[in-house]
Amino acid sequence: QQQVKQSPQSLIVQKGGISIINCAYENTAFDYFPWYQQFPGKGPALLIAIRPDVSEKKEGRFTISFNKSAKQFSLHIMDSQPGDSATYFCAASRHSGYALNFGKGTSLLVTP
Amino acid sequence: DTAVSQTPKYLVTQMGNDKSIKCEQNLGHDTMYWYKQDSKKFLKIMFSYNNKELIINETVPNRFSPKSPDKAHLNLHINSLELGDSAVYFCASSQSKSGVGPGELFFGEGSRLTVL
Repeated sequence: QQQVKQSPQSLIVQKGGISIINCAYENTAFDYFPWYQQFPGKGPALLIAIRPDVSEKKEGRFTISFNKSAKQFSLHIMDSQPGDSATYFCAASRHSGYALNFGKGTSLLVTP
Repeated sequence: DTAVSQTPKYLVTQMGNDKSIKCEQNLGHDTMYWYKQDSKKFLKIMFSYNNKELIINETVPNRFSPKSPDKAHLNLHINSLELGDSAVYFCASSQSKSGVGPGELFFGEGSRLTVL
């Protein structure tokens, strides 16, 4: 069963706009929530990650917002650029585990 | 210097054949993984090895057999290939930390398997 649910499946944003991708989880034992970025023909690469002791983490134009009570987290890409066009995956894992459970991915296209 | 390298990058074969994909990491990590990415880009974990010990074995047909000869290598052998095995297979590695979890995963560039 899908342990992390991600939406939307695809997203088109104009250059300079804000891209927002949402994820939800059920397992309250999850305590590590990374986002991975994948360009065509490449493997996914870590973009940014958050732990549930904070509600927001920002790195440059990328921000994770985390709502522990709602069991939801989201990725915001400010001032989106065509170079941000890629597939984004949210994920979750437990500190005692080894598996990283991925969402189904969001294909982002930023138009010029 | 490639951190996680997989070979071959492309593999085209007939149904019923047996094939292998090799993976090597030079990051000194203690944990390695195989993920399968299907045509819809869903990433599903198949196996994980920590210090050469199998720790994750998801619901995968026993036609798939991983082997880790040492911490830096993790190979995947697939017997009697089926059409549904067509996918991109990613190898990844990470350095596990007690109480922290799997940590950052470093992925290879993938091996695209096409079964005809």
